[in-house]
Amino acid sequence: KQEVTQIPAALSVPEGENLVLNCSFTDSAIYNLQWFRQDPGKGLTSLLLIQSSQREQTSGRLNASLDKSSGRSTLYIAASQPGDSATYLCAVANDYKLSFGAGTTVTVRA
Amino acid sequence: ETGVTQTPRHLVMGMTNKKSLKCEQHLGHNAMYWYKQSAKKPLELMFVYSLEERVENNSVPSRFSPECPNSSHLFLHLHTLQPEDSALYLCASSQDPGGAEAYEQYFGPGTRLTVT
Repeated sequence: KQEVTQIPAALSVPEGENLVLNCSFTDSAIYNLQWFRQDPGKGLTSLLLIQSSQREQTSGRLNASLDKSSGRSTLYIAASQPGDSATYLCAVANDYKLSFGAGTTVTVRA
Repeated sequence: ETGVTQTPRHLVMGMTNKKSLKCEQHLGHNAMYWYKQSAKKPLELMFVYSLEERVENNSVPSRFSPECPNSSHLFLHLHTLQPEDSALYLCASSQDPGGAEAYEQYFGPGTRLTVT
């Protein structure tokens, strides 16, 4: 069974600092890895998807890396803003099933 | 309407009620999913439908009954629920999970369910 762990569980930083969020998974036979953002009480917004054959993906201030062999992914958010405050979820796909981590809750202080 | 929509957004029901959650996707996908998100726990996959056939039932109690009448609509019928079933129920859709490049899932806003 795939186990996904996200560290840290919570993170508070001043505005402008770079954010580093970590995700690890136990079964490296994945098809892809997705990073999502979730605002309180809301659904999930997909941020980045990395296919198993890729090592990183970038979108604006976001960059996600994938090291499949070691079972790790890192999401970098550059120059954080208060609007980046949310919970960030990592999910890995083994066939059609997504397994989620518990998330990292980020607070960016103005 | 665009993306994935869910109704109602909030639902309060007693343990003896019967209610249904509705999900509709406007993305031309043909796979749909129900997830449960309880407080302080990771999202749990409940059901998967591919091309309107159920391909996954993740040991979900029979008081939850899914229905997928076509590739755009997904329902979750609820009856005799327990207070521990209170959670955020999320629907998602994707292309048919038949190839390694086709698994990106798009989520709806969720239904916040409270069982009293």
